[in-house]
Amino acid sequence: DAMVIQNPRYQVTQFGKPVTLSCSQTLNHNVMYWYQQKSSQAPKLLFHYYDKDFNNEADTPDNFQSRRPNTSFCFLDIRSPGLGDAAMYLCATSRVLGTGGLQPQHFGDGTRLSIL
Amino acid sequence: RKEVEQDPGPFNVPEGATVAFNCTYSNSASQSFFWYRQDCRKEPKLLMSVYSSGNEDGRFTAQLNRASQYISLLIRDSKLSDSATYLCVVNILAGDYKLSFGAGTTVTVRA
Repeated sequence: DAMVIQNPRYQVTQFGKPVTLSCSQTLNHNVMYWYQQKSSQAPKLLFHYYDKDFNNEADTPDNFQSRRPNTSFCFLDIRSPGLGDAAMYLCATSRVLGTGGLQPQHFGDGTRLSIL
Repeated sequence: RKEVEQDPGPFNVPEGATVAFNCTYSNSASQSFFWYRQDCRKEPKLLMSVYSSGNEDGRFTAQLNRASQYISLLIRDSKLSDSATYLCVVNILAGDYKLSFGAGTTVTVRA
């Protein structure tokens, strides 16, 4: 089945040790998103791509970087994770409609990041 | 004013009851609207898109009121499995490709 796949499901890293989360999609959607979600909060958008056009939210820390080498893959790099970065990281995809609207987002299962 | 606002609840209802809640959005030009449900420690899953004329999917009914800038979700004949957080999602600016989330409305259905 076409889907959005995130790896790994659970990631444990040490304080300050770089970590990379990955996302792949078989939906051929042109928009990909990375969200951070903490307990009892709504998902918070970190970045999104429309094709290769990268959009960084104004309040996304510099510690967070992203790469989208092709349509199917997107990566989230956390250069020096701090304790406050422990969260669920969600990747999602969508497609732009001819009317300019968006199809619903499809989410991956998420990567739960823990910081020691 | 937040882009998307929801009543956080919680709504605590007995099985079989009807529960309804709203979500307001800030930009009158917003085009795409969705309801997602999220279970604890899981990813959000699409419940339904919201169309201008309103739409129904089984026990779930979604409405869009452009004049007052809100969408609503009504759940009839609530089941225990309907217990979840319901997220309102809006494409605030056409051509922006960014979807804004409400903070979620928690619904608990009790036996």
